[in-house]
Amino acid sequence: AQSVAQPEDQVNVAEGNPLTVKCTYSVSGNPYLFWYVQYPNRGLQFLLKYITGDNLVKGSYGFEAEFNKSQTSFHLKKPSALVSDSALYFCAVRSWDRGSTLGRLYFGRGTQLTVWP
Amino acid sequence: EAQVTQNPRYLITVTGKKLTVTCSQNMNHEYMSWYRQDPGLGLRQIYYSMNVEVTDKGDVPEGYKVSRKEKRNFPLILESPSPNQTSLYFCASSFAGAVQPQHFGDGTRLSIL
Repeated sequence: AQSVAQPEDQVNVAEGNPLTVKCTYSVSGNPYLFWYVQYPNRGLQFLLKYITGDNLVKGSYGFEAEFNKSQTSFHLKKPSALVSDSALYFCAVRSWDRGSTLGRLYFGRGTQLTVWP
Repeated sequence: EAQVTQNPRYLITVTGKKLTVTCSQNMNHEYMSWYRQDPGLGLRQIYYSMNVEVTDKGDVPEGYKVSRKEKRNFPLILESPSPNQTSLYFCASSFAGAVQPQHFGDGTRLSIL
C-alpha cells in the first residue's frame, strides 16, 4: 500500500535556528515527492518537489528537502527559520495504480510548524 | 490571476438537503481533484478527473458525486449529506503529468447538522 508518514504532529523552533520537518514514504516503484504549505484559512501552496537527479532540491521561501532513497525519507529543511514560516506542512507522494498514466497523490497528516520569536 | 475558485467558502446545512460545491480554474488544467481535510487525517482524495468526461474515485468517494462537463469546472455534489461529511473541502487542479504540482482553492467549510 502507498503511504506517507509525518511522524511529528508539531515542530517548534526558535527564529534563526535551523528547522527540519520529517517525512517518510512507502510506495512501489520510483516516488515523485512533494511538499506543500498551508497558511490559516488558505489552500495548500506548492513548495518543492523531487522527481529525479540531485537528492537535495531547493524550493520557495528558502526551503529545501533531501531525498534519501535508502531511508525512504524526504525531510524538509531550512537553515534559518522565520516567524512567518509558521504554518501547516504536508508531504505528498505520487503513486501509480490501476494503470493510470497520472497516478494519485497521497498526503501525510501534516506537521504544524511554530517558529518562536 | 491564475486561480482555483471554490464556492461557497462556508456552508451550514441539514442532513439530506442536496448541495453542490462549485470549483472553477482559469489555467486550462486537464487534471482536477477534490479532497477533504479532517483533523489528524490530513488530506484524503474524494474524486479526480483527468480531463473532460473522465473521472475516477479516490480514497473516500462514498456519498459524493462529481461531473466534468467543461474543462474549467469540477463541481462536487452531495446528494444526501450526512453529519460525517462535515469537513473542510479543497479543490485542486494541475496540468497533466505526474511531475506537475497541484494548485489549490482556498477551501469550503461544510457543516452538516
